[in-house]
Amino acid sequence: GEDVEQSLFLSVREGDSSVINCTYTDSSSTYLYWYKQEPGAGLQLLTYIFSNMDMKQDQRLTVLLNKKDKHLSLRIADTQTGDSAIYFCAGPTGANNLFFGTGTRLTVIP
Amino acid sequence: GAVVSQHPSWVICKSGTSVKIECRSLDFQATTMFWYRQFPKQSLMLMATSNEGSKATYEQGVEKDKFLINHASLTLSTLTVTSAHPEDSSFYICSARGFGGAGELFFGEGSRLTVL
Repeated sequence: GEDVEQSLFLSVREGDSSVINCTYTDSSSTYLYWYKQEPGAGLQLLTYIFSNMDMKQDQRLTVLLNKKDKHLSLRIADTQTGDSAIYFCAGPTGANNLFFGTGTRLTVIP
Repeated sequence: GAVVSQHPSWVICKSGTSVKIECRSLDFQATTMFWYRQFPKQSLMLMATSNEGSKATYEQGVEKDKFLINHASLTLSTLTVTSAHPEDSSFYICSARGFGGAGELFFGEGSRLTVL
């Protein structure tokens, strides 16, 4: 089955850029996703990237995909305190569901 | 985007009672919904796939009689935790697949269950 790994913690200063990394094993993934979870809340879809793309930019968010290395990253420019949350990368499974990484807890220091 | 709503957000119950959690797709129809359980500081654990008009598909290790799932309409799935015990205390989240081309899932706000 799919295996998705992320670093558990990341701390950055407000205004700096954050880069959250993810590695996956299933090379057949058509889309890869980034979700954000704030404390006590569900998951919010931030962005996704199609597997034939290398990069996708959406305002402060930039997703980079290296299919050869099976590496996905999410860059948040000008990180704000409101960006403090847990970020999950996810890929599809054969069961029409998504397989989630362990999540990276981003802490933004004022 | 598609909106999925869960209710209640918080519930506290006594041991031995049953608790029902609702998951609604507000602006789209969902033939399939998913139920997850999330322990503190951990990722989501898929419990079951809820299929409209048919039986739910449970993941290995999840007790069907303990976690009853009903998906009676295209906009509503319910999870009933029967005879709840303190070890059932957790954060339960549902999701539904949107109809966009990217196959993304949209999540409810989550329901925190505390069993005393």
